[in-house]
Amino acid sequence: EIVLTQSPGTLSLSPGERATLSCRASQSVSSSYLAWYQQKPGQAPRLLIYGASSRATGIPDRFSGSGSGTDFTLTISRLEPEDFAVYYCQQYGSSPMDTFGQGTKLEIK
Amino acid sequence: EVQLVESGGGLVQPGRSLRLSCAASGFTFDDYAMHWVRQAPGKGLEWVSGISWNSGSIGYADSVKGRFTISRDNAKNSLYLQMNSLRAEDTALYYCAKGTGYSSGWYDYWGQGTLVTVSS
Repeated sequence: EIVLTQSPGTLSLSPGERATLSCRASQSVSSSYLAWYQQKPGQAPRLLIYGASSRATGIPDRFSGSGSGTDFTLTISRLEPEDFAVYYCQQYGSSPMDTFGQGTKLEIK
Repeated sequence: EVQLVESGGGLVQPGRSLRLSCAASGFTFDDYAMHWVRQAPGKGLEWVSGISWNSGSIGYADSVKGRFTISRDNAKNSLYLQMNSLRAEDTALYYCAKGTGYSSGWYDYWGQGTLVTVSS
């Protein structure tokens, strides 16, 4: 089982700043099968990034994903007020055996 | 419009059973893998179980293996989770999520969840 470790646990930034969130896997993630989700209080998660770097439909281009192997990054270039939320990375494979990271809370400074 | 509607949650005593359902609409259900993901109060997301399009490939988290059973009925566009021997630590909001491939893939749609509370 692949374990995903996200850092930092909490990130305090101001609107307009750049956010960099990390996701590290305990073993290599094949074919960059890595996704990122955003979750706001009382809502279901929303897909942001899949395949490590492809933006989902309707996601603003200030969100970008990068990385391969065991190290992945979600970057938000200029934070908007609506971007403050919890972010999760997820590893998915060729069979239904997936895992999530523990999440990074992005809060307003 | 894709819709996933979970049902079947509630208050149940430790050791008892519960069956969750997820009604899907707005897409060709039998073309995609489906998953259950849970979230304990104030905690993060935990993948629980997934099933391929034809039920030929199934996976479970270690925390539920041997107690939970996932299934699907493609004729009824429905996903199920049979939960036996429930424990307090199974208390969570249970989401149904749609995969993007026959056997897995990322999750492009989620339901709003059904709450399971295990307590005496």
